[in-house]
Amino acid sequence: DTAVSQTPKYLVTQMGNDKSIKCEQNLGHDTMYWYKQDSKKFLKIMFSYNNKELIINETVPNRFSPKSPDKAHLNLHINSLELGDSAVYFCASSRGQGYYGYTFGSGTRLTVV
Amino acid sequence: QKEVEQNSGPLSVPEGAIASLNCTYSDRGSQSFFWYRQYSGKSPELIMFIYSNGDKEDGRFTAQLNKASQYVSLLIRDSQPSDSATYLCAVNMGGSGGYQKVTFGIGTKLQVIP
Repeated sequence: DTAVSQTPKYLVTQMGNDKSIKCEQNLGHDTMYWYKQDSKKFLKIMFSYNNKELIINETVPNRFSPKSPDKAHLNLHINSLELGDSAVYFCASSRGQGYYGYTFGSGTRLTVV
Repeated sequence: QKEVEQNSGPLSVPEGAIASLNCTYSDRGSQSFFWYRQYSGKSPELIMFIYSNGDKEDGRFTAQLNKASQYVSLLIRDSQPSDSATYLCAVNMGGSGGYQKVTFGIGTKLQVIP
């Protein structure tokens, strides 16, 4: 039973399209995150939600819009995709604000062509 | 100044040796510190966390924390080829709005040579 599950695992799309990535956790955690890992493997936080409330919103283009319908789900919608959006996007969850660490999903590899 | 710094490597060690991975961080108010292992094409996996100065041991892994020097390290004893991966140092530090966030280093690639 997967703790943090993301769909889809792979996403190949053309520039200008809109796409969504979904994330669900069954750990009972109250905080969820989106991280982006670029081609240099640097893992950078994008957003964080605590009990459906947006608490971290890093410098991310407003083409990226997160949405948390409940504390077990966090989705990421991306409008007008650009080549530079190609990366692996990881969802993660934690108890509280991550004092004990995160559990990551398996990642979504997004390729924009 | 980078918030969490690591040498990207690769760090090559022979099988059975001790691998030593190092990390420094910039925020003196940081509260907890993590080591994640990431195999190629996989997601990061938490292997150790530490929040008090000193050593914390778990099997072949020992995490060391020195808050005065803002330094965290990970020792892997009896290194195995299966330990070959990228090791990410991460630090839970204050973010905007008073919330904590975990900031990751670039990761050190470890290669264990049979």
